[in-house]
Amino acid sequence: KNEVEQSPQNLTAQEGEFITINCSYSVGISALHWLQQHPGGGIVSLFMLSSGKKKHGRLIATINIQEKHSSLHITASHPRDSAVYICAVRSFPSGSRLTFGEGTQLTVNP
Amino acid sequence: NAGVTQTPKFQVLKTGQSMTLQCAQDMNHNSMYWYRQDPGMGLRLIYYSASEGTTDKGEVPNGYNVSRLNKREFSLRLESAAPSQTSVYFCASSEGGAWHQPQHFGDGTRLSIL
Repeated sequence: KNEVEQSPQNLTAQEGEFITINCSYSVGISALHWLQQHPGGGIVSLFMLSSGKKKHGRLIATINIQEKHSSLHITASHPRDSAVYICAVRSFPSGSRLTFGEGTQLTVNP
Repeated sequence: NAGVTQTPKFQVLKTGQSMTLQCAQDMNHNSMYWYRQDPGMGLRLIYYSASEGTTDKGEVPNGYNVSRLNKREFSLRLESAAPSQTSVYFCASSEGGAWHQPQHFGDGTRLSIL
């Protein structure tokens, strides 16, 4: 079993829909990251969380440390949100190293 | 700022050939990383360098070597390429090891080994 599991693997939505991507992990962590990989391959960091909730524009990330679970929400989705969303955790023994989930492929249709 | 620059962007090699992937960052970051990304798998760490002058193995180091040439540059070498090393390789950097510091990624190198 992978240390970081994401669901769903693939998600198709209509423009305007509210989207949720889930991430569960099995190790103790110091932080959880959400990243976005564009269709061209580039990867950008969206959020870093150690507790609670963060919001940036239409994106919201939450984490529940006790349940070892995080969610990434996208409100009023748009076709330009189509990308792979990746969850990664920084576990306690690993210092600055990250362990990545397989990613969720999101497609938003107009 | 260019951020993290990887060269080349694409490369095709024959089995047994060697090559070096180059990575440079202009953000004065201390830590640098090499990952590979394969279909159906998450990014996996090959090697990393926590600071200039140090390198450490990651999850999948076999078949690779690295050099932290200076604070800016971190290269990945395949001494004798194998088809199993066909992958997309990403270099990343971060200011340090603190949890709140993001990793900045290059655009990737698509490597095919025939």
